[in-house]
Amino acid sequence: KNEVEQSPQNLTAQEGEFITINCSYSVGISALHWLQQHPGGGIVSLFMLSSGKKKHGRLIATINIQEKHSSLHITASHPRDSAVYICAVRAGGSQGNLIFGKGTKLSVKP
Amino acid sequence: NAGVTQTPKFQVLKTGQSMTLQCAQDMNHNSMYWYRQDPGMGLRLIYYSASEGTTDKGEVPNGYNVSRLNKREFSLRLESAAPSQTSVYFCASNTRDRGIGSNQPQHFGDGTRLSIL
Repeated sequence: KNEVEQSPQNLTAQEGEFITINCSYSVGISALHWLQQHPGGGIVSLFMLSSGKKKHGRLIATINIQEKHSSLHITASHPRDSAVYICAVRAGGSQGNLIFGKGTKLSVKP
Repeated sequence: NAGVTQTPKFQVLKTGQSMTLQCAQDMNHNSMYWYRQDPGMGLRLIYYSASEGTTDKGEVPNGYNVSRLNKREFSLRLESAAPSQTSVYFCASNTRDRGIGSNQPQHFGDGTRLSIL
């Protein structure tokens, strides 16, 4: 069983829809990251969080440490949000290296 | 700022050939990483360097060697390339803040697409 599981694997939405991507993990963590990989391949960090909720523009990330679950929400989705969204965790007490999920491929249609 | 720069962007090798992937960062980060990304799998750590002068194995180090040349540069070498090493390779860097026990987000290069025939 993978230590980091994302769902769904693929997601197609219409422009303007509210989108939720989920991440569940099985290890104790000290932090969770959400990353975005553009169609051209580049990867950027969106959020790093260890509790609660963070918001940046139309993106919101939440984490529930007790349930070992995080969600990434996109409000008023736009075709430019089309990308692969990757969840990664840093296991608590480790050297600090990240364990990555397989990613969720999002396609937003105009 | 250039951020993390990887070279080359694309490379095709024959089985048994050797090559070095270069990575440089201009953000004064102390930690650097090499990952590979394969279809249907998450990013996997090959090697990392927590600070200048140190390197450690990650999840999938076999067939690779690394050199932390200085604080800016971290190279990945394939001594005898194999088709199983066909992948997209990413270099990343960040600052490890041990004082408060947390790491900062990693900054990624654009990747090197490597095909081994």
